[in-house]
Amino acid sequence: DSGVTQTPKHLITATGQRVTLRCSPRSGDLSVYWYQQSLDQGLQFLIQYYNGEERAKGNILERFSAQQFPDLHSELNLSSLELGDSALYFCASNGATGELFFGEGSRLTVL
Amino acid sequence: AQRVTQPEKLLSVFKGAPVELKCNYSYSGSPELFWYVQYSRQRLQLLLRHISRESIKGFTADLNKGETSFHLKKPFAQEEDSAMYYCALSGDTGGFKTIFGAGTRLFVKA
Repeated sequence: DSGVTQTPKHLITATGQRVTLRCSPRSGDLSVYWYQQSLDQGLQFLIQYYNGEERAKGNILERFSAQQFPDLHSELNLSSLELGDSALYFCASNGATGELFFGEGSRLTVL
Repeated sequence: AQRVTQPEKLLSVFKGAPVELKCNYSYSGSPELFWYVQYSRQRLQLLLRHISRESIKGFTADLNKGETSFHLKKPFAQEEDSAMYYCALSGDTGGFKTIFGAGTRLFVKA
């Protein structure tokens, strides 16, 4: 599958814990975007990487961090988790046309 | 500041009726506007973009710079159009990021 892949699909954890979400962009795409989707907030832009470097930052909490590795996969680290962090986290990549291609998302539940 | 506003969280129409999903934006430069759609149990995917000026699945959207709007329209809604629709804006001010509106859930009733 040369599309955007995300792992894990589902994750259940407790408050105060730390989790890592992983994303592999489409083959050939250099950018990775992270979004958080919650019921009443829609899609919130978190952060974007391009070829290993941070390109743009959105509403990302200090407890969250991300990086993009030389092989272009990206990880989103969420720490000191709170109940309100429960959401669907999407990763996307884009090519030259600007269209975003999304992964299936990682559903995080914090209990 | 960049902003995308979709005023309706839910829009319910009957099959065959016209549908318009509203989108307004705020951006200081020249934006690119998109509509993305998320069908049940599917990935979020691009529906159309203003640059291409094409009609996809009967949907069209015209960029109105004067009103800073990019409303999505379809003359005759179909049940399979039921989905979550997101308006998105991309630009090079403040980073090459794409931001999304809160989304509108379209429900087409039989």
